[in-house]
Amino acid sequence: GQQVMQIPQYQHVQEGEDFTTYCNSSTTLSNIQWYKQRPGGHPVFLIQLVKSGEVKKQKRLTFQFGEAKKNSSLHITATQTTDVGTYFCADPTGFQKLVFGTGTRLLVSP
Amino acid sequence: DAGITQSPRYKITETGRQVTLMCHQTWSHSYMFWYRQDLGHGLRLIYYSAAADITDKGEVPDGYVVSRSKTENFPLTLESATRSQTSVYFCASSRQGSNTEAFFGQGTRLTVV
Repeated sequence: GQQVMQIPQYQHVQEGEDFTTYCNSSTTLSNIQWYKQRPGGHPVFLIQLVKSGEVKKQKRLTFQFGEAKKNSSLHITATQTTDVGTYFCADPTGFQKLVFGTGTRLLVSP
Repeated sequence: DAGITQSPRYKITETGRQVTLMCHQTWSHSYMFWYRQDLGHGLRLIYYSAAADITDKGEVPDGYVVSRSKTENFPLTLESATRSQTSVYFCASSRQGSNTEAFFGQGTRLTVV
């Protein structure tokens, strides 16, 4: 079946450092969504990418969709303690069923 | 704006007991979903519903039953709870159509002893 892997599994940074998580699918994606889950919380939608090579920015967050639509990345510039959480990519399949990536847990030390 | 709510938030039950997790959304979203989240497995789809009275299995449906008699409610029942069903359960909903985001409930932490 389809697999969506993310690397790294875990990253610990100092506040102000940059952070990147990578998402790789075993199949070509129609589009990809990103979610953030704070510790003890629920996943919250961040963004959706649809087009090959698409780049979208939300303040300090930059999202990219690969040219072949099999990978994506999320880059956070100058991390803050509020960025702590687990970041998931997800493939919305038929009926918007989400196949989630394995997630990257981010810890930010002040 | 209540959004999507799950109850209970925490539940401890014994092996073999039946337990029902409730999910209610106020947006009239067509699609609803149940996911479970476990360390090492991430979020996996248990069941989904495209509309009232239409449900189908996801990746890990065994041991679970769902129903959707009304658009706003999507209860998940564990017919005979097992320890392997100890998990955090998330209900979610989304609008009909492609390219729509999912909204998640707060989750139910279920422990089967």
